[in-house]
Amino acid sequence: AQTVTQSQPEMSVQEAETVTLSCTYDTSESDYYLFWYKQPPSRQMILVIRQEAYKQQNATENRFSVNFQKAAKSFSLKISDSQLGDAAMYFCAYRSGGGANSKLTFGKGITLSVRP
Amino acid sequence: GAVVSQHPSRVICKSGTSVKIECRSLDFQATTMFWYRQFPKQSLMLMATSNEGSKATYEQGVEKDKFLINHASLTLSTLTVTSAHPEDSSFYICSARPLAGVGTDTQYFGPGTRLTVL
Repeated sequence: AQTVTQSQPEMSVQEAETVTLSCTYDTSESDYYLFWYKQPPSRQMILVIRQEAYKQQNATENRFSVNFQKAAKSFSLKISDSQLGDAAMYFCAYRSGGGANSKLTFGKGITLSVRP
Repeated sequence: GAVVSQHPSRVICKSGTSVKIECRSLDFQATTMFWYRQFPKQSLMLMATSNEGSKATYEQGVEKDKFLINHASLTLSTLTVTSAHPEDSSFYICSARPLAGVGTDTQYFGPGTRLTVL
């Protein structure tokens, strides 16, 4: 079974600075997807970024980018120019590549606070 | 695009009653929808996977007779908590995967429903 590990329960960053959230996963599959979701205090889960395992290029969405190290099974999220609105719980998630019913496996999440 | 709604957003009910939560994909069709439960400051726990027109697949430990799931169309799935008890109080979240087009490999989440059983 696949597992997703987010070992840091909390992190803090100064506004306008850069922060990196770590995530590792374990799988024997070659076809899969990785995601970062954000859950602000409203508790709405918001997709931040996604990465297909077959793509070597790291995904980027504006201030958000990932460092995908497939051999090391590492998938960290970098937030540049942190803003107060980035304060939230962040979940790393894994999904197998096959089948419409393929489930998401979530990490425990990390709470990010942003200091003004 | 890829908007998922849930109704109601909050519900308070008495112990022993049943509560129905609706999950709708507003701008796409979803062959598969997922139901999660989340406790404060914790991760999401998958309860079941539902497919349009067929029986839901429940995760181990989830009582299928207590948490009834119906996926009647490609845009609507419902979760009914039957004979609710205080321990069923939680935050319930649904998600949906688009049937076609961009994002078919991604789950999009509804805003969640807070259930309180008195």
